[in-house]
Amino acid sequence: GQQVMQIPQYQHVQEGEDFTTYCNSSTTLSNIQWYKQRPGGHPVFLIQLVKSGEVKKQKRLTFQFGEAKKNSSLHITATQTTDVGTYFCAGPPGNMLTFGGGTRLMVKP
Amino acid sequence: DAGVIQSPRHEVTEMGQEVTLRCKPISGHDYLFWYRQTMMRGLELLIYFNNNVPIDDSGMPEDRFSAKMPNASFSTLKIQPSEPRDSAVYFCASSSAGLPQHFGDGTRLSIL
Repeated sequence: GQQVMQIPQYQHVQEGEDFTTYCNSSTTLSNIQWYKQRPGGHPVFLIQLVKSGEVKKQKRLTFQFGEAKKNSSLHITATQTTDVGTYFCAGPPGNMLTFGGGTRLMVKP
Repeated sequence: DAGVIQSPRHEVTEMGQEVTLRCKPISGHDYLFWYRQTMMRGLELLIYFNNNVPIDDSGMPEDRFSAKMPNASFSTLKIQPSEPRDSAVYFCASSSAGLPQHFGDGTRLSIL
């Protein structure tokens, strides 16, 4: 079956440093979604990428979908303590989502 | 919009007891998903419904787990009998076709 892998599993950064998490799928994806889960909270949708090579920005967050539509990345510029949480990528088949293992981001003030 | 509503928020019970988790999806959403989250296994899809019909239950761990969706506004996930290894956070999520999923706050289940 489809597998979605994320690296790294954990990342500690100093506030103000940049952060990147990478997502790789074993199969070509029709789209990829990113979610953020704060400690003790539930996953919250951030963004969906559909087109090959697509890049989208949300303030300090930059999302990229690979040309082959099998990988994606999330880059946060100048992290803040509010960025703490676990970031998940997720890909279909169909209306199901297979979630990656997530990258837990910890930010030291 | 009230969002996806799950109950109870926390459940502590002894092994062997029946556990029932409840979910009210967002009105108008035709897909409903049940997930389990643990440190060891991450976020796992257990089962999902489309228009109240179970579509894929391949993630349900074993026969002790069952899920129903009697109507468009209510779903249950039952564990009978419960075991300590069932301890986890259980999330319900809903969506419309092709659109992102909206998660409830989850039920934190502890089986002693």
